[in-house]
Amino acid sequence: NAGVTQTPKFRVLKTGQSMTLLCAQDMNHEYMYWYRQDPGMGLRLIHYSVGEGTTAKGEVPDGYNVSRLKKQNFLLGLESAAPSQTSVYFCASSYGQGVVYEQYFGPGTRLTVT
Amino acid sequence: AQKITQTQPGMFVQEKEAVTLDCTYDTSDPSYGLFWYKQPSSGEMIFLIYQGSYDQQNATEGRYSLNFQKARKSANLVISASQLGDSAMYFCAMRGSTTDSWGKLQFGAGTQVVVTP
Repeated sequence: NAGVTQTPKFRVLKTGQSMTLLCAQDMNHEYMYWYRQDPGMGLRLIHYSVGEGTTAKGEVPDGYNVSRLKKQNFLLGLESAAPSQTSVYFCASSYGQGVVYEQYFGPGTRLTVT
Repeated sequence: AQKITQTQPGMFVQEKEAVTLDCTYDTSDPSYGLFWYKQPSSGEMIFLIYQGSYDQQNATEGRYSLNFQKARKSANLVISASQLGDSAMYFCAMRGSTTDSWGKLQFGAGTQVVVTP
């Protein structure tokens, strides 16, 4: 099992450019999440999905869009990148949504917006 | 609203010694889960240990144990017999049970641990 994979691992964008980050999981997990990690702030939830075709906003959703067309994939889009979106992005998935279920994380994508 | 606080930005510990990482939380949810994750310099997030709010006993996983004091709202991680490979950032996280917090992990700012020979 590959677990949770993310594509790409690194990316540099210019302000105003768009891009899509792909997350894939092979554990048949129902729930998927996108986080961003900034220095000194821990991880913050951007958007999440409770199943194929459903998405919901997290703590910091502005400037991002997501789609979950297939159960195993969760896409994070930046339509017009801004320097404030320079961050490390993590995707995660979990079997359930209850308090007991741990989240499995991908390796992260380091994005720089100049 | 949920909040996780890790007051130790960084700490040094000698190899083979034990280290305690502090975590306090605030929530009004009737039940919740507490997690610790390790992030080495390579960047991946590694799940270490879980404690449920209704669990009677403190969780243990190998060299990791969680000192859970519900009344004080603290969930400290104890690493026994530190190894050089334990050098990493450690995050405390919480997941609640109400509609607003359902499924969402709230993270603390993390504690950087450096293990010295």
